[in-house]
Amino acid sequence: DIHMTQSPSSLSASVGDRVIITCRASQAISGYLNWYQKKPGKPPELLIYAASNLQTGVPSRFSGSGSGTYFTLTITSLQPEDFSTYYCQQSHSTPRTFGQGTKLEIK
Amino acid sequence: VQLLESGGGLVQPGGSLRLSCTASGFSFVNYAMTWVRQAPGKGLEGVSGMSISGGTTDYADSVKGRFTISRDDSKNTLYLQMNALRAEDTAIYYCAKATTMWFGATGDAFDIWGQGTMVTVSS
Repeated sequence: DIHMTQSPSSLSASVGDRVIITCRASQAISGYLNWYQKKPGKPPELLIYAASNLQTGVPSRFSGSGSGTYFTLTITSLQPEDFSTYYCQQSHSTPRTFGQGTKLEIK
Repeated sequence: VQLLESGGGLVQPGGSLRLSCTASGFSFVNYAMTWVRQAPGKGLEGVSGMSISGGTTDYADSVKGRFTISRDDSKNTLYLQMNALRAEDTAIYYCAKATTMWFGATGDAFDIWGQGTMVTVSS
C-alpha cells in the first residue's frame, strides 16, 4: 500500500495569512494526488484533483502542485471558513490511501 | 445532486449491519462508488469501492472478508453489508461518488459525498 504523510499535523495561522501544507507519498504516484477539506460534522469536500486542478466552485485562493512523491496545498489570504482539516489522497493505485490530516487552526 | 446514507446504529461486537446510500441528481449507473469512514478523533480511511455494473470491487485489508459492497442500479443505491463487526469499526461511514466508471482508475477522485451515518460497535 502507498503510505501518505502530511506535514505539519497541525498549523496555527491568522486570517489573511498564506499557508502551505505538504504531502509525501511512500512511492512515486506521478500527479495522482487529490486534496480534501473536512470540517467537523460535515462530509469531506474535494478541493484539488490531479495535484493541481481546482474543483469547480472552489475559491482560487486554493492551489496545488507537485508530482512524484512530493505535493503541496497552498492557501493564500486565509479566510475564517478555511480553518478546518485537510487531507491528501493518492489516486495512483488501490487501496486508495489518505494522509493523516493537517488541522489548520486560528492563531 | 445528493447522496443519502442510512442504516447506521449501535450493534454488539460480532453483529451485522447493512448500510445504504441512495443517490439522486446524477446518473448513478455511470459512476464508480465508494465507502470511506472516519473513526472518532481519527482521519479518513477508504473502506471499499465498486465499479459500474457491479464490476470491480476493492476492500481495505481491515475489512476484507467481513464487509461486502454491492449496488442496485435500478434503485440508485449503494450498499455495504458489514458482518463480524468489531469495536474498531466504530466510525462515521460516508458514501461518495467517484469521477470515473471504474473504481481504482488512475486519477479518479471522490467529488460528491453523503452526510454520513454513524456506526457504533459496543456491548
